[in-house]
Amino acid sequence: AQSVTQLDSHVSVSEGTPVLLRCNYSSSYSPSLFWYVQHPNKGLQLLLKYTSAATLVKGINGFEAEFKKSETSFHLTKPSAHMSDAAEYFCVVSPYNTDKLIFGTGTRLQVFP
Amino acid sequence: GAVVSQHPSWVICKSGTSVKIECRSLDFQATTMFWYRQFPKQSLMLMATSNEGSKATYEQGVEKDKFLINHASLTLSTLTVTSAHPEDSSFYICSARTGGANYGYTFGSGTRLTVV
Repeated sequence: AQSVTQLDSHVSVSEGTPVLLRCNYSSSYSPSLFWYVQHPNKGLQLLLKYTSAATLVKGINGFEAEFKKSETSFHLTKPSAHMSDAAEYFCVVSPYNTDKLIFGTGTRLQVFP
Repeated sequence: GAVVSQHPSWVICKSGTSVKIECRSLDFQATTMFWYRQFPKQSLMLMATSNEGSKATYEQGVEKDKFLINHASLTLSTLTVTSAHPEDSSFYICSARTGGANYGYTFGSGTRLTVV
């Protein structure tokens, strides 16, 4: 069965420091992987997606993620955090040949001044 | 870009009444839409897949008679929570797949349902 694990429920960083949000997936075949951000009481916004092309994926707002098949990981990074990055982040897997999305449990990012 | 409009953004209803939530694709046709439920500080759980012109496909454990889904056109899917109870209070989010080479999933802004 396909699944996705977000290793940290909360991450706190200071403004201007790097961000690392960890995600591991489990999938029998090549999945599609996404990172979404959700601000309080809002819908979800796509940050980036991996669909078997380049393993380093660049997204919006300076975020990027690297697909590492050997480690079954898809960690999200940003070189320098901004206050506006504070939100809930979801790692999502779409199993091969399906339309379904399976969400991780989310990581709440706090950014301190 | 593709936009999904969800309405209402919040609703309060009395126990025993029904509530309808609408999800519209504004600038594209969505043959498939998805309905999710999110409890406070938890992740999104897929409730059902809504297919235009046919019956919805419900996930295990989701009562299809309680959560009625209609997808009568290529731009509109509705979720009706029937005979709502306080335990149905939640955040409901719809999404649609946008096709083409750069496919993705666009989400509505969600509906906060409170049943009193």
